[in-house]
Amino acid sequence: AQSVAQPEDQVNVAEGNPLTVKCTYSVSGNPYLFWYVQYPNRGLQFLLKYITGDNLVKGSYGFEAEFNKSQTSFHLKKPSALVSDSALYFCAVRDPRDDKIIFGKGTRLHILP
Amino acid sequence: DTAVSQTPKYLVTQMGNDKSIKCEQNLGHDTMYWYKQDSKKFLKIMFSYNNKELIINETVPNRFSPKSPDKAHLNLHINSLELGDSAVYFCASSPLLTGREGYTFGSGTRLTVV
Repeated sequence: AQSVAQPEDQVNVAEGNPLTVKCTYSVSGNPYLFWYVQYPNRGLQFLLKYITGDNLVKGSYGFEAEFNKSQTSFHLKKPSALVSDSALYFCAVRDPRDDKIIFGKGTRLHILP
Repeated sequence: DTAVSQTPKYLVTQMGNDKSIKCEQNLGHDTMYWYKQDSKKFLKIMFSYNNKELIINETVPNRFSPKSPDKAHLNLHINSLELGDSAVYFCASSPLLTGREGYTFGSGTRLTVV
């Protein structure tokens, strides 16, 4: 069965510093991996995805993520955090042989001015 | 031009009532989903439909009944509402059943059962 873990409930970063939000996954095959962001009282917005190819994927708002097969990780990164990046971030995984995406429990990112 | 729209945005109702939430997407996507987000923000899939055909039916009480009159619409009807049904319900869609492109989410329906 597929699963995804976000080990941090909350991450605090000073504005201008690099940020990392961690995600690890477990699937039996080659995964589809996604990051979504949720702002208060809003739906989830797609940030980026890894399906195949280059391990470093770039997405919206300057975010990127690196697929690491040996560590089964897909950490979200940004070189310089903005206060407006403060939100709830969800990692998600899909086993291509399955019919659904499984979401992690979410990590709340606080960017401190 | 809202891509995935849900109505209503807020729904407050008494225990035992029956209510419906509607979802429409204008993206031309084949697949639609219902997710439930609880008070701890945990997201759990409930149902998915592909071209009006039920694909996923997770362990959801049979008080919940999805209906897809066409591939652009996926409605959720809930009978005999209970306090534990209080949550935010998100509709989503994807171009194909493979889900390779990710999902587009609606803005959610906050259901409060009192």
